[in-house]
Amino acid sequence: DIQMTQSPSSLSTSVGDRVTITCRASQSIASYLNWYQQKPGKAPKLLIYAASSLQSGVPSRFSGSGSGTDFTLTISSLQPEDIATYYCQQSYSTPWTFGQGSKVEI
Amino acid sequence: QVHLVESGGGLVKPGGSLRLSCAASGFSFSDYYMTWIRQAPGKGLEWVSYISSSSTYTNYADSVKGRFTISRDNAQNSLYLQVNSLRAEDTAVYYCARQTGDNYFDSWGQGTLVTVSS
Repeated sequence: DIQMTQSPSSLSTSVGDRVTITCRASQSIASYLNWYQQKPGKAPKLLIYAASSLQSGVPSRFSGSGSGTDFTLTISSLQPEDIATYYCQQSYSTPWTFGQGSKVEI
Repeated sequence: QVHLVESGGGLVKPGGSLRLSCAASGFSFSDYYMTWIRQAPGKGLEWVSYISSSSTYTNYADSVKGRFTISRDNAQNSLYLQVNSLRAEDTAVYYCARQTGDNYFDSWGQGTLVTVSS
């Protein structure tokens, strides 16, 4: 199985900050990397697919980059509604696996 | 607008069974692979199983293989997960999600809670 490791597991930020979350795969997954946002008590929501493609309706302050084993999710200017836990997911091979999550707090 | 609604969760004793359902609307259900993903309380996301658009292919996580069965009824726009031989570690919110051709999940239901406890 491909292991996905996110860092940091949690971070405390301020409104307007630039936030960066990293995700590392245990083997190369090309660009088969996706990012989700989950707010408390809600279902996850797709933000970024194929490492860098923004899902329709997602604000442009979210961006993704990387390929191979190292990937990054960036929020260019944190807004209060961005407080959530973020998960990466590899779609290179089954079983599809997720990172452990990165909780963004203010 | 894609809409997915899960049902069928509840409290069940270890060794028991449940059938989870997911009602889909707002898209051509029969054109998409569908998947189940679960989340234990306070924990991360775990993919459970997927089924191809015409039910030809299924795949399961090792943790549920042999105990869970995924199925679908395209005429009823419904997805199912039969969960048998339940264990305490199966306690989780179970989400159904639409799986794209590149194997990411672009729409999710609100989830149904399965609690396994004596």
